[in-house]
Amino acid sequence: TQLLEQSPQFLSIQEGENLTVYCNSSSVFSSLQWYRQEPGEGPVLLVTVVTGGEVKKLKRLTFQFGDARKDSSLHITAAQPGDTGLYLCAGGTNTGNQFYFGTGTSLTVIP
Amino acid sequence: DAGITQSPRHKVTETGTPVTLRCHQTENHRYMYWYRQDPGHGLRLIHYSYGVKDTDKGEVSDGYSVSRSKTEDFLLTLESATSSQTSVYFCAISQAGGLGTQYFGPGTRLTVL
Repeated sequence: TQLLEQSPQFLSIQEGENLTVYCNSSSVFSSLQWYRQEPGEGPVLLVTVVTGGEVKKLKRLTFQFGDARKDSSLHITAAQPGDTGLYLCAGGTNTGNQFYFGTGTSLTVIP
Repeated sequence: DAGITQSPRHKVTETGTPVTLRCHQTENHRYMYWYRQDPGHGLRLIHYSYGVKDTDKGEVSDGYSVSRSKTEDFLLTLESATSSQTSVYFCAISQAGGLGTQYFGPGTRLTVL
């Protein structure tokens, strides 16, 4: 069962542009994580958000958790080639021990 | 970085042979997970463990079994490997299950010929 929809699936942009990746669900999550994965490696945690409406910033990356805790967004300002990778969102619930992953957004930043 | 290792990192095997993948953690986290990652499917949960000897099935558990005899080790076994089980397998750990955060191992690339 795929509970999290990510969009867009693929994104190719020029260095310096801004972008937003969306992670949407009809389910409520108690926590929402964003990961970045590079080829041949495991996903690396970027951020965890747990409060509805929460906004977290990590340098040029801004993460927002929706007020109803059903959706999240990742905004990158002035993208750089080092931002290239697969971005994954994952939701956790307080009624189970599992995490539910989106299918990912593959980002390519062209120098 | 969380202390998670997976072994082997790469394996090629033939259809019908048994295969065991190992995940080892040094973080003393309660929860451990096995996922597979395939193009177009993202990360799909195979099995997870919420304590020693306590395991449960995930979304794609058919053809896989797991065991956890001590906190630090979580084994994934393919009793009779099939070509459809060719994939990249990731182990993850979490201190607080769905309320916490997961940390991933480096992955095992398995090819079943």
